[in-house]
Amino acid sequence: DAKTTQPTSMDCAEGRAANLPCNHSTISGNEYVYWYRQIHSQGPQYIIHGLKNNETNEMASLIITEDRKSSTLILPHATLRDTAVYYCIVKGGTSYGKLTFGQGTILTVHP
Amino acid sequence: GAGVSQSPRYKVAKRGQDVALRCDPISGHVSLFWYQQALGQGPEFLTYFQNEAQLDKSGLPSDRFFAERPEGSVSTLKIQRTQQEDSAVYLCASRIPGGTGELFFGEGSRLTVL
Repeated sequence: DAKTTQPTSMDCAEGRAANLPCNHSTISGNEYVYWYRQIHSQGPQYIIHGLKNNETNEMASLIITEDRKSSTLILPHATLRDTAVYYCIVKGGTSYGKLTFGQGTILTVHP
Repeated sequence: GAGVSQSPRYKVAKRGQDVALRCDPISGHVSLFWYQQALGQGPEFLTYFQNEAQLDKSGLPSDRFFAERPEGSVSTLKIQRTQQEDSAVYLCASRIPGGTGELFFGEGSRLTVL
């Protein structure tokens, strides 16, 4: 599975959009981009995933560049409860589901 | 239950003791994963089950670590002769079959070895 690169930390004001970038320049054609987050003292929580088209659900939007070498997770109206570590993971669609987590981005939402 | 349940939530062991950590996955989820998360690090894969079959145990750090899922539902991660470096949060996750579905994680079992 391709490796990902994320900033170590980011800040965001409450109510504003949080845009979390992820580079995955070695991604291959059948690999998906997944985002999970982990709030302190909890297990990771699935947010969203995509292959090449942009995706949106009730939690977030995922924008994948046309060359698929990078993506951005957008939390449209961040709240204090969105403070967490956000993990960008690339995984092959045919693999059984093993996820390889990196260090992630620590997002801090300020009042 | 509604989610993945893990017990105990907290375990303190003296070095050399054996420990057993339990995972009760979401009903109907045939895929089950164990991860280890050291302080300040992302989760690291330990092992994977599909029903009762352990299909991948490449992440188990030593032969002191053993996992089982005898009836294809509840799973137990056993650590023998615990060492201080085993101190971590042990996370269990489950999923329906298929390559692209989301993993549902439990809250983890925090093991501290003194």
